[in-house]
Amino acid sequence: GESVGLHLPTLSVQEGDNSIINCAYSNSASDYFIWYKQESGKGPQFIIDIRSNMDKRQGQRVTVLLNKTVKHLSLQIAATQPGDSAVYFCAENRGAGNMLTFGGGTRLMVKP
Amino acid sequence: NAGVMQNPRHLVRRRGQEARLRCSPMKGHSHVYWYRQLPEEGLKFMVYLQKENIIDESGMPKERFSAEFPKEGPSILRIQQVVRGDSAAYFCASSPTGTNQPQHFGDGTRLSIL
Repeated sequence: GESVGLHLPTLSVQEGDNSIINCAYSNSASDYFIWYKQESGKGPQFIIDIRSNMDKRQGQRVTVLLNKTVKHLSLQIAATQPGDSAVYFCAENRGAGNMLTFGGGTRLMVKP
Repeated sequence: NAGVMQNPRHLVRRRGQEARLRCSPMKGHSHVYWYRQLPEEGLKFMVYLQKENIIDESGMPKERFSAEFPKEGPSILRIQQVVRGDSAAYFCASSPTGTNQPQHFGDGTRLSIL
């Protein structure tokens, strides 16, 4: 649904721990999902994507899991580093056109 | 740096003036998208363009806003007669094709209306 401008939910983790950021989506027609990282004053940076015919995809230190049954997407970051501190957004392509619909975002804070 | 280039990075306008935001896509990308972001919120789709064509403008306000992506030169997002509510960060993204490809974003233009 639409964000109402509330403060972003925050996940605080210790450096070296694993982080899990969750995202719920509502449209069962969505067939493509992307995770972005946004640092202050910058544009969203592509992290990893996954298509709806997959349930898991791994990159360097990151894993995306897709559960279509409950319409849930998660981003796992292994061995979280201070440089991972940012706001993370999931985005979905709802299958009608190429526009992305963004979730509300989660702020990740990494404590040294 | 062959990334998406947006300018200006910051733009200040008075109410009633026009704002013109520019976006040069990544080399080899022919699909351009504009999004708007308010503080502490996700990005909201505005318009999707290919060279000389508007493909989807379902997120554009009906009045005062227009976008183009000419055969030569950058894509332009134009806001006429700006109002305070237009203050936001405007991001441009590009992709090589339009189908299930990552969109790569520029660092945005932060528009402030006095």
